[in-house]
Amino acid sequence: DAGVIQSPRHEVTEMGQEVTLRCKPISGHNSLFWYRQTMMRGLELLIYFNNNVPIDDSGMPEDRFSAKMPNASFSTLKIQPSEPRDSAVYFCASSLGWNTQYFGPGTRLTVL
Amino acid sequence: AQKVTQAQTEISVVEKEDVTLDCVYETRDTTYYLFWYKQPPSGELVFLIRRNSFDEQNEISGRYSWNFQKSTSSFNFTITASQVVDSAVYFCALSESSSNTGKLIFGQGTTLQVKP
Repeated sequence: DAGVIQSPRHEVTEMGQEVTLRCKPISGHNSLFWYRQTMMRGLELLIYFNNNVPIDDSGMPEDRFSAKMPNASFSTLKIQPSEPRDSAVYFCASSLGWNTQYFGPGTRLTVL
Repeated sequence: AQKVTQAQTEISVVEKEDVTLDCVYETRDTTYYLFWYKQPPSGELVFLIRRNSFDEQNEISGRYSWNFQKSTSSFNFTITASQVVDSAVYFCALSESSSNTGKLIFGQGTTLQVKP
């Protein structure tokens, strides 16, 4: 079975540009999580969806960040406008309810 | 407040040595889950184990073993006869029932280097 799929794997952009990260969860999973990993803050939850509905977005840094899940097999995390401090690895994870979260390979974002 | 502490930032061992990675957690919940994930140099996060708060039995999987002690709020991970391929960052994580989300709270990670 395919695991969590994320694209792109690497993204380099310039400050002010819009960035869209994509995630396809494991088929059958109904919970989806977006995490961010930085050296300073470690791994932190940005937003959580359950059955395609955003349940907890308290970790979203600011209004420049937005996330959507239009259907059970696709989610996006958008940053507009991007800033150098947004540089990080962004992970998507999925689970069936409150079970083990399986992570995608991550997207390494560099904002120049 | 919920918290996960991995006090060992970096550990370096020689191949075939045993090594224990420490994890201490804080929670007010009586129902929670503890996890270990491995992040090899390639960057992905690989699930290793999940343990619920009502199951204090130790777990062994090949060279890996886990010791869960509620009395000391610890969930330590031991690698027996370490190998170079074990070199990675290891994360301990906590998920509380009160979050209603399954949100993972991660420790800062322990970087393990296994030298040949």
